[in-house]
Amino acid sequence: DSGVTQTPKHLITATGQRVTLRCSPRSGDLSVYWYQQSLDQGLQFLIQYYNGEERAKGNILERFSAQQFPDLHSELNLSSLELGDSALYFCASSVATSGGYSSYNEQFFGPGTRLTVL
Amino acid sequence: EDKVVQSPLSLVVHEGDTVTLNCSYEVTNFRSLLWYKQEKKAPTFLFMLTSSGIEKKSGRLSSILDKKELFSILNITATQTGDSAVYLCAVKNNAGNMLTFGGGTRLMVKP
Repeated sequence: DSGVTQTPKHLITATGQRVTLRCSPRSGDLSVYWYQQSLDQGLQFLIQYYNGEERAKGNILERFSAQQFPDLHSELNLSSLELGDSALYFCASSVATSGGYSSYNEQFFGPGTRLTVL
Repeated sequence: EDKVVQSPLSLVVHEGDTVTLNCSYEVTNFRSLLWYKQEKKAPTFLFMLTSSGIEKKSGRLSSILDKKELFSILNITATQTGDSAVYLCAVKNNAGNMLTFGGGTRLMVKP
């Protein structure tokens, strides 16, 4: 158990809908990262937040957004869902010194949310 | 754009065998390389490598980095069925904390 929690574990929804995935980082970790894992694309970085502020963006679609709250939990919002959005969505956290910029701290992954869009 | 390539894509061995998994990378301003093991769900952290030639070891697993040739290997000795998993290699550059992952090596260890 990494100490990172994610809810829900599974989510089944229809095309065009909007969902929210939730993540609580390990105690003391200020940085949260979201990754998408699909069969054809592998594990891909979406976005990073550090202490409530966006720090880095990867291949995140405009239909997706995220935020980190004062208690450091984070939510990933996916809207106008398409079949191709079906994937495992992971949250990871790290201590992330240096203001959330590059550091030597490893990232610890949560159990993931499996999203199925029908 | 950073790139990570892992080989082989998959591997089937028998218990007791030794395996070597490969990871090559192209990174602008390399900072570190990380290995993760992914079984059913979340990737679990194995090693982080930052310096060439220094072996990291944990039980039957070990890893080493070659920053000149831009690759890393992960060795597993005396494999067990519990080692069956996808092994992921990822790199981090100096621009940020995001990880760029390779496609993984799927290892199956048969009894």
